Amino acid sequence: AQSVTQLDSQVPVFEEAPVELRCNYSSSVSVYLFWYVQYPNQGLQLLLKYLSGSTLVKGINGFEAEFNKSQTSFHLRKPSVHISDTAEYFCAVSPDYNNNDMRFGAGTRLTVKP
Amino acid sequence: DAGVIQSPRHEVTEMGQEVTLRCKPISGHNSLFWYRQTMMRGLELLIYFNNNVPIDDSGMPEDRFSAKMPNASFSTLKIQPSEPRDSAVYFCASRRDSGNTEAFFGQGTRLTVV
Repeated sequence: AQSVTQLDSQVPVFEEAPVELRCNYSSSVSVYLFWYVQYPNQGLQLLLKYLSGSTLVKGINGFEAEFNKSQTSFHLRKPSVHISDTAEYFCAVSPDYNNNDMRFGAGTRLTVKP
Repeated sequence: DAGVIQSPRHEVTEMGQEVTLRCKPISGHNSLFWYRQTMMRGLELLIYFNNNVPIDDSGMPEDRFSAKMPNASFSTLKIQPSEPRDSAVYFCASRRDSGNTEAFFGQGTRLTVV
């Protein structure tokens, strides 16, 4: 089965600084990759997804992620963060033949300080 | 569309009591997921249904947990008897199979077993 490792449980940054949230996955088959965001007391909402094609994926709120097959990574980046980006971010993976079998990483709490 | 609707939003119950969590997926979505989120384990997939049929329940922790989907617009997750270690936030999500769409999450049910 596939699995996801998010290397940082917490990432504190100052407002307007760049940020990278790291995600590595493990799978014996081709995968789809996702980043979700969870604001306090809310469910998860999709930021972006990689299914195929261009390895650089752009999502909502100025986030982007790059799929690197050789390094089995899918790191999330934003060039300049806002206070409102403070949230929990989850990386997820599913096999490309069954994207109902989605597995999530442990999450990274991004805290943006003024 | 109102999105995925979960009820109740909060549930406090005593150990040994039966707890039933409810979910109404987005109309037209034919896959439904139950996830559990805790600080220790992160976001775990408990079970998912496709066209109302349970496909993978390998994540259901014990026989005390059961899930049903009697029709396309309703699912329940039942814990009987409940234990303090079941305290968590339980999320329901749904997706439409065609078009590689993402899963949409409800706002979750925060369960506290005392």
